[in-house]
Amino acid sequence: ILNVEQSPQSLHVQEGDSTNFTCSFPSSNFYALHWYRWETAKSPEALFVMTLNGDEKKKGRISATLNTKEGYSYLYIKGSQPEDSATYLCAFVSTGGTSYGKLTFGQGTILTVHP
Amino acid sequence: DSGVTQTPKHLITATGQRVTLRCSPRSGDLSVYWYQQSLDQGLQFLIQYYNGEERAKGNILERFSAQQFPDLHSELNLSSLELGDSALYFCASSVDPLAGGPVDEQFFGPGTRLTVL
Repeated sequence: ILNVEQSPQSLHVQEGDSTNFTCSFPSSNFYALHWYRWETAKSPEALFVMTLNGDEKKKGRISATLNTKEGYSYLYIKGSQPEDSATYLCAFVSTGGTSYGKLTFGQGTILTVHP
Repeated sequence: DSGVTQTPKHLITATGQRVTLRCSPRSGDLSVYWYQQSLDQGLQFLIQYYNGEERAKGNILERFSAQQFPDLHSELNLSSLELGDSALYFCASSVDPLAGGPVDEQFFGPGTRLTVL
């Protein structure tokens, strides 16, 4: 069973604050790491897919880094806005065997940005 | 709007029954994925199809089956339904140019909420 952990479970920040959260995954048999944003009453929306150790990706005020050797990825949000309030999910993909192609999701970090 | 459509939006049925959930991927996407989200669990991968063939399998129960048709739409069949099968079922699609490689972002449909009474 692949273990994908996200922390913290929930986070409350004020508008304008910068914040970050973590996704931990197995450091062996790494293939890819996905980040998704999931707003209430909507469906998950892809943010990033990361495949290389040291990868850094950015989309507007949101960025992510990847460390496959130690098995973690950070998601950063700069200058949080109320519309950033959502659940942020990471999903790990491992190589080979019966796990190939399978995304294993973490439980998510629930972000609430207060005006 | 992701371009992925799912029908029906809501489904209420009784234990022991069988239902079919339908998904149409984005135009041009060859891969379809099915996920289950229960109240007490996160998003669980069920199964992936790529261009009509099963590509990857997750924790899908034997009572559940899926297929992808030549026009690339997919159906998830759930039979002998139990109360615990009540969940939100998502379909997602991706292009997967690397013959089904899981490095493409997935586009999720709006989901089908299944309630088993």
